[in-house]
Amino acid sequence: GESVGLHLPTLSVQEGDNSIINCAYSNSASDYFIWYKQESGKGPQFIIDIRSNMDKRQGQRVTVLLNKTVKHLSLQIAATQPGDSAVYFCAEDNYGQNFVFGPGTRLSVLP
Amino acid sequence: DAGVIQSPRHEVTEMGQEVTLRCKPISGHNSLFWYRQTMMRGLELLIYFNNNVPIDDSGMPEDRFSAKMPNASFSTLKIQPSEPRDSAVYFCASSPTGDTNSPLHFGNGTRLTVT
Repeated sequence: GESVGLHLPTLSVQEGDNSIINCAYSNSASDYFIWYKQESGKGPQFIIDIRSNMDKRQGQRVTVLLNKTVKHLSLQIAATQPGDSAVYFCAEDNYGQNFVFGPGTRLSVLP
Repeated sequence: DAGVIQSPRHEVTEMGQEVTLRCKPISGHNSLFWYRQTMMRGLELLIYFNNNVPIDDSGMPEDRFSAKMPNASFSTLKIQPSEPRDSAVYFCASSPTGDTNSPLHFGNGTRLTVT
């Protein structure tokens, strides 16, 4: 598959460890945030979302944290597995019209 | 449950040729988005439709790019004439609502190479 962003920040974690991927967003009025996972040769895939009236939301092995004060979003992956290796994007709603995507972070899981 | 379907998966063409990318959104979704992904600029919104009507095309790079949605189940993105700088992966995405209250569902993209 193609390379998505050769100059992306990369996070390398040991298999079984927890991963934390961070994202700074720009619009303090954004009401809805999404994390996507993109594997090589595929489109972005929805992982988890959160609305601005929440600080934390949990899914299966994933947790999203929202800090509106500093406009920061994070994705935590518990017990990281080789299949979690991918590029992860945060997205924020753009005045309720569409979504703006962050630059992405490449997660590399080491055996 | 079929997701968003894009064709072709890969397109290689020469500069100056016309290129047409196709997208079939998820049935019942009434919003459709075209994004372009490059190493330098990441994911950029080109245009989006609500109920087949173009709402915002401010992301379309120039007049060489055009998009249509003749019905709820089909959209095209056309580049004429194509240039090497158009080389990128083009994604189509659909959403069940006409706003940002639900996530986008992406296809697997068309990788365009213009030589």
